[in-house]
Amino acid sequence: DTGVSQDPRHKITKRGQNVTFRCDPISEHNRLYWYRQTLGQGPEFLTYFQNEAQLEKSRLLSDRFSAERPKGSFSTLEIQRTEQGDSAMYLCASSRGREWEQFFGPGTRLTVL
Amino acid sequence: AQTVTQSQPEMSVQEAETVTLSCTYDTSESDYYLFWYKQPPSRQMILVIRQEAYKQQNATENRFSVNFQKAAKSFSLKISDSQLGDAAMYFCAYSTNTGKLIFGQGTTLQVKP
Repeated sequence: DTGVSQDPRHKITKRGQNVTFRCDPISEHNRLYWYRQTLGQGPEFLTYFQNEAQLEKSRLLSDRFSAERPKGSFSTLEIQRTEQGDSAMYLCASSRGREWEQFFGPGTRLTVL
Repeated sequence: AQTVTQSQPEMSVQEAETVTLSCTYDTSESDYYLFWYKQPPSRQMILVIRQEAYKQQNATENRFSVNFQKAAKSFSLKISDSQLGDAAMYFCAYSTNTGKLIFGQGTTLQVKP
């Protein structure tokens, strides 16, 4: 068990560009969550998957954001036409179920110039 | 909607002393889970302790314990025999019936040698 991994760890992009982040959860975990964390704040929920099904999306997830989890394994989070307000740490977490703890990845820090 | 409030942005404790971090939450649900997560500087979030709402007994994990007051919707974390490695940002989190976590604003804990 190598834990939750995320790639890339850092991403600098220019406003208007598209970016994609990847998350690899712990292999036996069927739930996968995406959160966004700005400096000095608690993480905010974006979306979650149970296996390959995306079951809930936050209002924070505008139509510029899309997430997928093909075959219930890794997940990708894409942001189209990035804006400076998208600059944040994007965290991925996985768990075995609602009552179990979520294991977090190291995050992807996005900077939009 | 559920909310989580941490009213102490910063706390400080002397090494080997005890410190209590406060957390209150609001919910209309009767069955839920509460967590304390620790986020060291530039490192990933890890679970400190969890509490099932249906359990009256307060959870304990080594030097970490909680004071769970369900009626008051209060969930404080006590750290005994504080160590330098305890310095981090601590987040209180509420798990909704879908499993997503709602985090408080966080408390930065400084441990003085």
